[in-house]
Amino acid sequence: DSGVTQTPKHLITATGQRVTLRCSPRSGDLSVYWYQQSLDQGLQFLIQYYNGEERAKGNILERFSAQQFPDLHSELNLSSLELGDSALYFCASSPRAFRTDTQYFGPGTRLTVL
Amino acid sequence: GNSVTQMEGPVTLSEEAFLTINCTYTATGYPSLFWYVQYPGEGLQLLLKATKADDKGSNKGFEATYRKETTSFHLEKGSVQVSDSAVYFCALSEGAGGTSYGKLTFGQGTILTVHP
Repeated sequence: DSGVTQTPKHLITATGQRVTLRCSPRSGDLSVYWYQQSLDQGLQFLIQYYNGEERAKGNILERFSAQQFPDLHSELNLSSLELGDSALYFCASSPRAFRTDTQYFGPGTRLTVL
Repeated sequence: GNSVTQMEGPVTLSEEAFLTINCTYTATGYPSLFWYVQYPGEGLQLLLKATKADDKGSNKGFEATYRKETTSFHLEKGSVQVSDSAVYFCALSEGAGGTSYGKLTFGQGTILTVHP
């Protein structure tokens, strides 16, 4: 158990809908990262928050947004969903935002868009 | 930009065989290098890491050495077990002077299957 929790574990929805994925980092970790894992794109970085502020952005679509709250949990919002958004979404946390930090991954949320 | 290339998979071995999974990278500055493992139906777990050139990371019999001259971080294990069957990912984290603050760039993953 990494100490990172993600809910829900599975999500099935229809095209055009909006969903919210939730992540609680390990106790004491200030940095939260979101990654998408799909068969064709592999594991890709989406976005990072550090202590409530956006720190880095990767290949995140404009239809996707995220935030980190004062209690440090984070939410990833996906809207106007398309079939191609079906993937595993992982959240990871680390103590700070240094390149040497180990990132601890949650179990993931599997999103299926029908 | 940064990139990580892993050897093509899948890799199938018999128990007690020697394992090598090749990983090479392209990056600016001084990245940290990681190997993560993903067991079926689970999230990624850190296997080992190295944060500067010539460092050797090791864990559970696995080893990898950070080679700056060849931009490589190959994973090795002397004797694999059935329980090592999983997907292995090589990754790097942006180096000093970069602005990515720790985001990971992953290789495509290598599926390892070990038979009794």
